[in-house]
Amino acid sequence: NAGVTQTPKFQVLKTGQSMTLQCAQDMNHNSMYWYRQDPGMGLRLIYYSASEGTTDKGEVPNGYNVSRLNKREFSLRLESAAPSQTSVYFCASSEVPGGGYGYTFGSGTRLTVV
Amino acid sequence: GDSVTQMEGPVTLSEEAFLTINCTYTATGYPSLFWYVQYPGEGLQLLLKATKADDKGSNKGFEATYRKETTSFHLEKGSVQVSDSAVYFCALSDLSGGNTPLVFGKGTRLSVIA
Repeated sequence: NAGVTQTPKFQVLKTGQSMTLQCAQDMNHNSMYWYRQDPGMGLRLIYYSASEGTTDKGEVPNGYNVSRLNKREFSLRLESAAPSQTSVYFCASSEVPGGGYGYTFGSGTRLTVV
Repeated sequence: GDSVTQMEGPVTLSEEAFLTINCTYTATGYPSLFWYVQYPGEGLQLLLKATKADDKGSNKGFEATYRKETTSFHLEKGSVQVSDSAVYFCALSDLSGGNTPLVFGKGTRLSVIA
């Protein structure tokens, strides 16, 4: 089925470890986004890529890096994980920059940092 | 900057009750407005949208009307079911700001009891 695929679905890291969350979309969308979701906090934007070759910081970029590998793929890297990064991470994509026609979301990666 | 304010939850209703979730927005331009739904353990899904004033978005028995005069986009359903239990997010896209991503409200959790 067409959509946004995130891997892995679950991950447990020790403090200080690094990892990369993968995201791929097969809808030929131009823009891609990474959010984190914490209880009572709603969705907070970490980074986004309006188009292939560009990335921009969102509301909570500290501790993260991103790579727009090609039009389909947008990865999120945690260089040195901290317990404060325990969260559910969602990738999303949209046809146009700014998401004027709405976003398509992946099913999320549940990350626990111990 | 642009912002979205949703009524705080959780909201608990009996099956077949009438639902209203309030959403108001602040935007510099003429935004498109969205409602997303997140079922337990899943990513967000687009529920409905409206792109200009007085438009009504509808889907699965849910409706919301874009009211420019009151800067509101309240979500309504005439008779809720247990399967409607989820978190609902209001969001806006203001393309007058260029490539800025969607702005989300903090979400409203709805629980429907039989």
